[in-house]
Order: sequence, then structure tokens, then C-alpha cells
Amino acid sequence: KAGVTQTPRYLIKTRGQQVTLSCSPISGHRSVSWYQQTPGQGLQFLFEYFSETQRNKGNFPGRFSGRQFSNSRSEMNVSTLELGDSALYLCASSAAGTGIFSYEQYFGPGTRLTVT
Amino acid sequence: AQTVTQSQPEMSVQEAETVTLSCTYDTSESDYYLFWYKQPPSRQMILVIRQEAYKQQNATENRFSVNFQKAAKSFSLKISDSQLGDAAMYFCAANEGSGNTPLVFGKGTRLSVIA
Repeated sequence: KAGVTQTPRYLIKTRGQQVTLSCSPISGHRSVSWYQQTPGQGLQFLFEYFSETQRNKGNFPGRFSGRQFSNSRSEMNVSTLELGDSALYLCASSAAGTGIFSYEQYFGPGTRLTVT
Repeated sequence: AQTVTQSQPEMSVQEAETVTLSCTYDTSESDYYLFWYKQPPSRQMILVIRQEAYKQQNATENRFSVNFQKAAKSFSLKISDSQLGDAAMYFCAANEGSGNTPLVFGKGTRLSVIA
């Protein structure tokens, strides 16, 4: 099976702009989670989508939003970018059924966002 | 709410030696899952090992093994015969097994392997 893919891999944006990141999960996986990774804050959970519905949400401002499509692909949007949004954004998918294997998350390579 | 704590921001080990990375967690659930993930420099995060809380036997994957102490809420990772390729950030993670809560990660431990 193909792994989790994320596009684009690198982005440079200016403060005030908005950005959309895309994530394609492993085939058959229905849950997609997004994380922000920075050297100072580590790995922070943004939100999780399951069957096109947001199931969990982290403690991020409303400028961060996401959605999931019927094919489980997910997008994340950040509006009104700030310098502090510069980070590696990771997407992870899981099968989300029952049992430990359903909770394992498989990560994509990430999108490196730089805000100038 | 579930929390995961990794108290060692950085560790180092000599090649071929053994190193143990610490992780403690806090949960009120009796059924949960624990994981260790590895993130090599500029590379993808990958799952190293998994442990179900109801299993008393410690999980093992080749040179990687865990010491799971349920009463102490401790889940340490032991890497035997360390190799240069083991150099990475290691994250401990936990999930309460309900499906309605996200996977919770620790802050990570950066492991250096010295040749």
C-alpha cells in the first residue's frame, strides 16, 4: 500500500496570507489527524477527522481549520498567517476500527511552512 | 485528560551499547494503548513498537523492547546494540482506546549515537 502523502512538501508564505495543505491517507484508513511540530513546542495536535466529521480538536485558534472528503483525503487551512505559524505540519492516518492496530498512526513526510 | 511525559530531552549512547528512554503517562482508563515513534533527522516519523495495556508481557521488536510497568504508569524503550541509524527523536504516545480521544504525544527525546 502507498503511504501517507502530503502536498506540497515546502511552502513559503507572507504574513496575512492563507494556505491550504493536503493529505492523502493510506488506502482504507478513515481517520486523519493533523499536527504542528516546532522546535519549541514539540508535536501539537491540531484536529482529527473521521468519516468527514471533525472528531477531536486541539487548542488552536479558529484560523486553523480542516475538512475531510468522502475519499478520506483531508485538507488543512490556515488563514491570516502569522510568523509563529512557521512549522512542520504533519498528517497521520489510522484505520480507526477496534483493537490496537486501529489506533496506530502512520505519518506523512510533512509540509514545511515558512511564514515571512 | 491523558498526559505523556518524557523527562529526558536528550540522550546519547555509544554504538553497540544499550540505552533506555523513559516515558511516564497518566490516565484514568484501564484499557489503553502505548506507542513509541521514531523521527530521524529530516525524515518521516515511523512507529517503532506498540503495547496494549491489558497485556503484561513486554513488547519486543528486534533490537527494541519496552519495559511496561502498569502500576507505575511507566513505558520505557530499550534499544540494544545501538546503531548509527538509531539517531533520531523518539516520541512516546498513548491512546485511551475509546476511539474518541486523540493520540497524545510526549515532548520527545533526542537520541545521539556516538561512533
